[in-house]
This record gives sequence, C-alpha cells and structure tokens, in this order.
Amino acid sequence: QVQLQESGPGLMKPSETLSLTCTVSGGSISGYYWSWIRQSAGKGLEWIGRIYTSGNTRYNPSLKSRVTMSVDTAKNQFSLKLTTVTAADTAVYYCAREVPLTRDNYYYYAMDVWGQGTTVIVSS
Amino acid sequence: DIQMTQSPSSLSASVGDRVTITCRASQSIIIYLNWYQQKPGKPPKLLIYAASSLQTGVASRFSGSGSGTDFTLTISSLQPEDFATYYCQQSYSNYGYIFGQGTKVEIK
Repeated sequence: QVQLQESGPGLMKPSETLSLTCTVSGGSISGYYWSWIRQSAGKGLEWIGRIYTSGNTRYNPSLKSRVTMSVDTAKNQFSLKLTTVTAADTAVYYCAREVPLTRDNYYYYAMDVWGQGTTVIVSS
Repeated sequence: DIQMTQSPSSLSASVGDRVTITCRASQSIIIYLNWYQQKPGKPPKLLIYAASSLQTGVASRFSGSGSGTDFTLTISSLQPEDFATYYCQQSYSNYGYIFGQGTKVEIK
C-alpha cells in the first residue's frame, strides 16, 4: 500500500528557510492532491497547503506569503519550503495524500494516507 | 475564513459508553466534513468523510451525522483503543482546510 515518508533538517535557526520532502512509495504520485499539515506541541492540526501533480497549488492564507510547494513526479516526491522561520514554526510536519471519496455520486476530498511526521525545531 | 469549533475539548468516559462529539462550522459546509482520530505520537487516521460515510476498514461503532453547520461524531460503545483525540476538518473551501481544535477522549 502507499506509504509516505517526510524528511527534513530537524533543527533550524530563526530566519532560515525550511525545506521538507515527502517521498511516496508503494504507488504513483500522479493523479492525486498532496498536502502538508503541521502540529505544534500539544496543539491542534494546521493545514499548510496542497499541490496537485500538475503543479497546481492552494495555500493556507495565513502562511501563503512564506510557502512554496513543488512536485517531482520522476522521483515520486513533493516538497515544502517555508521561508523566514521563527520559533512559532516549531512543529511536527506531516505530509498526506488527498483522495476523492464518493458518496451519492459526488466526490468529497479527505486525507487517507499520512506520513509518520517529522519534527522541526526552530531555535537560536 | 470558515472556522470549526468542536465541543467538548475533552471528555472522560468508560469502556462501553456511548460518546458524542460535536463540530460546528461558522458557515454552511453542506456535508464537506471529515473526522480523524489521532493517538499520541501517531499521525491522524481518517474515520468519516462526507459527514457520515465510514472510511474503509474503520469499525462500525463509529458514525457521523449532520449537514450545514452542525455535525456529530458518535462512538456507540467505547473500546480501549478508542481513547485518542478526535478532529473534525472541513473540505468545503479550497483555500483553507480548517481543522477543529480537537476533542480528547480520556479514560474515566
């Protein structure tokens, strides 16, 4: 079955650019939406954005000015860049697959496969 | 922006109890509402999509209902493995897949 694995720096300094990659295994990256979600310690889930394999993106308005997502279909990977990080960006970052699920002949999107998450700490 | 409000933020229940969690949207999201379960140190797991459709492989004691702005997740008979945090998430707006703040289900 499809599995996702995040990779990233772990520890960063304020003002640096965070770069994370999600590798998709057990299936093709093509034809799906792929999302990034983060979770601060003891806090809830924050959707960062999503990318389709065509490169079409949607970002959370609160993060849009700092976020860029990209996809590499040849490597079966998609990536997240978050510029000018601060301590507030310290979180577990998850990647996830979005699929269209059917009900009464309509499609409804949900995140059905998630990576295990990678912890990013921003500290001077 | 569409805001999602869950209640309660936490609850204590015993094995075998019927548990109900509520999620309210700040505007109508029709039935574009998903429910996830998260256990400590693990990623979320999809339970319910389109407000009331059970994801493949999820136990039938989980059910969802609602439409418009008010939604409910029900666990008909709480099992030991159900102690976790539950999140609702709207998929109505392409510009913000907002999650509720979560409901932690603890052992009484």
